[in-house]
Amino acid sequence: GAGVSQSPSNKVTEKGKDVELRCDPISGHTALYWYRQRLGQGLEFLIYFQGNSAPDKSGLPSDRFSAERTGESVSTLTIQRTQQEDSAVYLCASSSATGGIVNEQFFGPGTRLTVL
Amino acid sequence: SQQGEEDPQALSIQEGENATMNCSYKTSINNLQWYRQNSGRGLVHLILIRSNEREKHSGRLRVTLDTSKKSSSLLITASRAADTASYFCATDAWAAGNKLTFGGGTRVLVKP
Repeated sequence: GAGVSQSPSNKVTEKGKDVELRCDPISGHTALYWYRQRLGQGLEFLIYFQGNSAPDKSGLPSDRFSAERTGESVSTLTIQRTQQEDSAVYLCASSSATGGIVNEQFFGPGTRLTVL
Repeated sequence: SQQGEEDPQALSIQEGENATMNCSYKTSINNLQWYRQNSGRGLVHLILIRSNEREKHSGRLRVTLDTSKKSSSLLITASRAADTASYFCATDAWAAGNKLTFGGGTRVLVKP
């Protein structure tokens, strides 16, 4: 595809349920990022994948959050036992950044998660 | 805590006027980027300025970087209603690896 895609675009779930959010990065981009954005606020870094290196998980807020990436393609962010404070827009971005050189990030449209 | 802090938090101007917003950060950086976000969805990259650069232009956008003051500014000249959006600065630093740290954003409203 031409850009980063995310699914679903909206997700409403009940407190305590697990959710999976999907990100399809731009083909060939080795770097993939997940962010969380609460209403009216900036982006909060969650996790970063770079090629086959171990992911940088330093932004994950709790052990209920996890993410996987298959090679240099699709990534899934999983939130277990969702809480109301998990309600936010979850944004995925990909980049061609390699070898310590940071380039622009290309963002997907986000998944709006609402936990009732 | 956030590395970048934008100022002002909100800005309302008339079409045709210039819009200026600032970003301050705390630690030494490699690069600083500005992004635009419409309607709370995906962000669009505007400009990347490296730590050894002082000014960059792209169309109606002008970005400056003052590493001695740890600050950057984004100027939008001759604003249009379509420039209405939130604008975020983002920094990366050696200590933080290749990830970006975003500020809280400036919400710009351009009135026709």
